[in-house]
Parts: sequence; structure tokens; C-alpha cells
Amino acid sequence: RKEVEQDPGPFNVPEGATVAFNCTYSNSASQSFFWYRQDCRKEPKLLMSVYSSGNEDGRFTAQLNRASQYISLLIRDSKLSDSATYLCAPYRNTDKLIFGTGTRLQVFP
Amino acid sequence: DVKVTQSSRYLVKRTGEKVFLECVQDMDHENMFWYRQDPGLGLRLIYFSYDVKMKEKGDIPEGYSVSREKKERFSLILESASTNQTSMYLCASSGLFATNEKLFFGSGTQLSVL
Repeated sequence: RKEVEQDPGPFNVPEGATVAFNCTYSNSASQSFFWYRQDCRKEPKLLMSVYSSGNEDGRFTAQLNRASQYISLLIRDSKLSDSATYLCAPYRNTDKLIFGTGTRLQVFP
Repeated sequence: DVKVTQSSRYLVKRTGEKVFLECVQDMDHENMFWYRQDPGLGLRLIYFSYDVKMKEKGDIPEGYSVSREKKERFSLILESASTNQTSMYLCASSGLFATNEKLFFGSGTQLSVL
């Protein structure tokens, strides 16, 4: 089993739609979790941090389910500019951030 | 504005060459990382460093070494480049309490080994 698993997509959604991605992780000791956004041919940039059960920032909501070992990212009212790859990243121990392969989102008009 | 700078955006080398990838950060960060990113495999950790002259192996250190002589600079070295090291290389840094802090990435170096 991979340490971090994500559905690669692509998720093709119309503007205004709500879309959700899941990410499962295998290390039950992970305490901190992050979602990064990566545009085509660009470096990843932090989107959200998740330390407890969840976090919300505008149209974006991240939730953590420790019992089932997954985190989710919900995007409401999708914009064209949300088109990107979304990388899930739990901390393996106290120092190593491990990335999933990413989920690609394409928002169309 | 914070910055992680990688010396080259594109690099073409020949098999067997020694390759240096340089990374400099201006945020006085303790932690620095080297990842490579390949389609379908995502970002994989090669090496990281907590402090000057400190280094730790990541998940795929084979064929690579690193150097951190100054706090702001972390170099990745390919002793003898091979075609399977063709990849996008990303450097990143973070502050002392790494689990609570985000990574800042450089813009990446696309290395092609012919």
C-alpha cells in the first residue's frame, strides 16, 4: 500500500460546481496534514493546513478523519482559476513531509 | 517577499557527468529539502538537512549526495548522472518547527540527462 494515495483524476467540473478530493495515508502517527496546489510547470504552494479535525478558508474546506486515515478537500463554487493539481501531504514523523501524487482538477466554463 | 532560488531552470547534461544543483533561501530557515517530481510518482524526497553540515537521507538517496556548508545554501550533487535521473528537481525550505510550518519551494530545475 502506498504511504499516501490520491485519485489522479482528472476531475472535470463546470464553474460553480462543488468538488471534493480524498487522500488516504497509511502512517497513523501523522499529526499534521497539508494541501498544496500546483499549477502546470510551477512549484507547489501551500493551500491549507490541517492539524485537528478540519479547517476552512473561504471556498475551501479540509477535513481530517483520523479513524479512517483520510483527509479531504472540498472546493465550493469552483472558479476557472481553481484548475490545478492538488497535492496531499502528511508529515511522516516530525520532520518529513511526504506528498501524494496529486489530483488534477479542470474547471470548464 | 520570501524566496527560494534554484540556480537553473533547465539543464542538459550527458551520462556520466557530475552535476551540481544549487539552492539558496533568504528566510534564515533551518530545514532544507530536495525532492524530485516525476509523472505518476509525485514528489519524492531525496535528502534533507536540519542544520549546517547536517544531512539525512530521504526515500530515494541512491545516486545523489548533498552539501550544506552554509545555512542558506543546500546543494544536490549527482556524482555520475544517468538517464533515469532525468526529472524535475525541487528545493524547499521551512522553519525550525517543521511540522507546523509550510514548505517554501523554489521554481524547480528540469534536468535532462542524455
